[in-house]
Amino acid sequence: DAGVIQSPRHEVTEMGQEVTLRCKPISGHNSLFWYRQTMMRGLELLIYFNNNVPIDDSGMPEDRFSAKMPNASFSTLKIQPSEPRDSAVYFCASSRSRSVSEVFFGQGTRLTVV
Amino acid sequence: AQSVTQPDIHITVSEGASLELRCNYSYGATPYLFWYVQSPGQGLQLLLKYFSGDTLVQGIKGFEAEFKRSQSSFNLRKPSVHWSDAAEYFCAVGAQTGGSYIPTFGRGTSLIVHP
Repeated sequence: DAGVIQSPRHEVTEMGQEVTLRCKPISGHNSLFWYRQTMMRGLELLIYFNNNVPIDDSGMPEDRFSAKMPNASFSTLKIQPSEPRDSAVYFCASSRSRSVSEVFFGQGTRLTVV
Repeated sequence: AQSVTQPDIHITVSEGASLELRCNYSYGATPYLFWYVQSPGQGLQLLLKYFSGDTLVQGIKGFEAEFKRSQSSFNLRKPSVHWSDAAEYFCAVGAQTGGSYIPTFGRGTSLIVHP
């Protein structure tokens, strides 16, 4: 299995630009999570999906952030417009829901907004 | 709501020495507990997990952890640390929410290994 695949690995963009992060979960996993990691706040859960449906987006910092999961094998996290304080590492993770199991992480996207 | 506390931000040990990383959790029901490791520039990898049964669990890379309900703790141990163990370690507690088990992570402990 290829694991959770995220793209791009690194993204540098200018303030005000739109940024789209992409994620392909592990085949057969029906829960998908987006986390953000910063030195100040550690690992924060932004949003999670179950069977492609957003269940809890209370961790999304503001309306500039949006996430979609159009099908079981693809999800996006979009920031528009981006701001320097959005600079962080964004992780996508997936797991099998309805059972206690580990969450598998992608390698992350390091976002830098200048 | 569940929470995890890792009281040590940094731990420094010499190679070959024993290691213990502390983790305390807060959760109203039976906890599902995890330890993850993150190497620089990488995602998180599961070291071990506790769901039920034997309170001493074995993981990969020679790590083990002991669940102590009375102390709300799940400390990670290794008898002899290798230089390659230098990384960030995260403790997490999983709670069922909306049909999924959602891990809540501690802030992490950075392990530094001296030769």
